[in-house]
Amino acid sequence: GIQVEQSPPDLILQEGANSTLRCNFSDSVNNLQWFHQNPWGQLINLFYIPSGTKQNGRLSATTVATERYSLLYISSSQTTDSGVYFCAADYGNNRLAFGKGNQVVVIP
Amino acid sequence: DAGITQSPRHKVTETGTPVTLRCHQTENHRYMYWYRQDPGHGLRLIHYSYGVKDTDKGEVSDGYSVSRSKTEDFLLTLESATSSQTSVYFCAISGPDLGYEQYFGPGTRLTVT
Repeated sequence: GIQVEQSPPDLILQEGANSTLRCNFSDSVNNLQWFHQNPWGQLINLFYIPSGTKQNGRLSATTVATERYSLLYISSSQTTDSGVYFCAADYGNNRLAFGKGNQVVVIP
Repeated sequence: DAGITQSPRHKVTETGTPVTLRCHQTENHRYMYWYRQDPGHGLRLIHYSYGVKDTDKGEVSDGYSVSRSKTEDFLLTLESATSSQTSVYFCAISGPDLGYEQYFGPGTRLTVT
């Protein structure tokens, strides 16, 4: 089946810093989603981005489907950005394969 | 939260007992999913449904069964719980009305002793 790999696995940021999270996938995908899991375990939708670039406030995402990767940018990080970021690839019939996540800690 | 609830939110049960988890949605979205989340694995798909009485297996379906007799409810059953099924279980919904984007419920933490 499709493999989804995220890097880096762990990241510690000083508040105000910028960062880039990467998601590589091993096969063609129909769509790609990014989620944020907050410290209470809730999964929050960030982006639904099969290709191109989208922005939402301090976050933006880019997917290059032909090269099988997606990037999530966090600018001017805040402590509320802490948590785990997951990318998930739709490998057919709206089924998602998840990466193992990027654990992000933002320190004040 | 797209109107998704899961029950129970926490459960402790003994090895060998049957367990049923419920996912309920209020907005008649067509697709529903069950995932499990374990440390080091991200989320993995257990079963999914494209409509009433239309279900199929995901990547980690062994030991689990599902039923969907009404649009709003998707039940996950562990016929005989094992310690390896200790996990956090998430339900998700999707459909053409959501542009096929998946939205997740709050999760159920299950411990099998």
